[in-house]
Amino acid sequence: SQQGEEDPQALSIQEGENATMNCSYKTSINNLQWYRQNSGRGLVHLILIRSNEREKHSGRLRVTLDTSKKSSSLLITASRAADTASYFCATDGISNTGKLIFGQGTTLQVKP
Amino acid sequence: DAGITQSPRHKVTETGTPVTLRCHQTENHRYMYWYRQDPGHGLRLIHYSYGVKDTDKGEVSDGYSVSRSKTEDFLLTLESATSSQTSVYFCAISTDREGEQYFGPGTRLTVT
Repeated sequence: SQQGEEDPQALSIQEGENATMNCSYKTSINNLQWYRQNSGRGLVHLILIRSNEREKHSGRLRVTLDTSKKSSSLLITASRAADTASYFCATDGISNTGKLIFGQGTTLQVKP
Repeated sequence: DAGITQSPRHKVTETGTPVTLRCHQTENHRYMYWYRQDPGHGLRLIHYSYGVKDTDKGEVSDGYSVSRSKTEDFLLTLESATSSQTSVYFCAISTDREGEQYFGPGTRLTVT
């Protein structure tokens, strides 16, 4: 079964707006990662947040982690058409093996 | 794309035939992974390797085998392809078991 579940499954916004995607997971984790996938391409790593961190920023990306609720959110501020992609969260489930479990993803469309 | 190539990029094969997909890296990363991506399932781990000749199963390993005789190459073999193995296959590499993974461009496999 999937460890991470993203919400919403699809999101459509206008350029300049903020986009928020949520991820819930089931077991304890060491870290949670967010990836982006453009259509027909491989995944690209965006950001990693460790279980002892609550918030992390990278450029226009802001990630929060609430381990008590087993949830994370990815905020993309001032979105651009180039942000159109699918976004996945992935958790390691404290297995310490490097095995990641991915959610099904949120498909984001940013309209120019 | 972080020095990862996959071959072939596209393949159509018939049910019952053996198929081998190749992942090649130029980064000398220790960890390598094979995933499959299907609509409605996100990415699922098939097998992974934590060193030459060291491999382990992921969550969907049935029907697949892997080999890693050199640091740079990780092979995924479908001994007898079935239609349920029609999918897009991604290879990924990582420097350590807790860090980000770098993905290849993917192989689209169709089993008829």
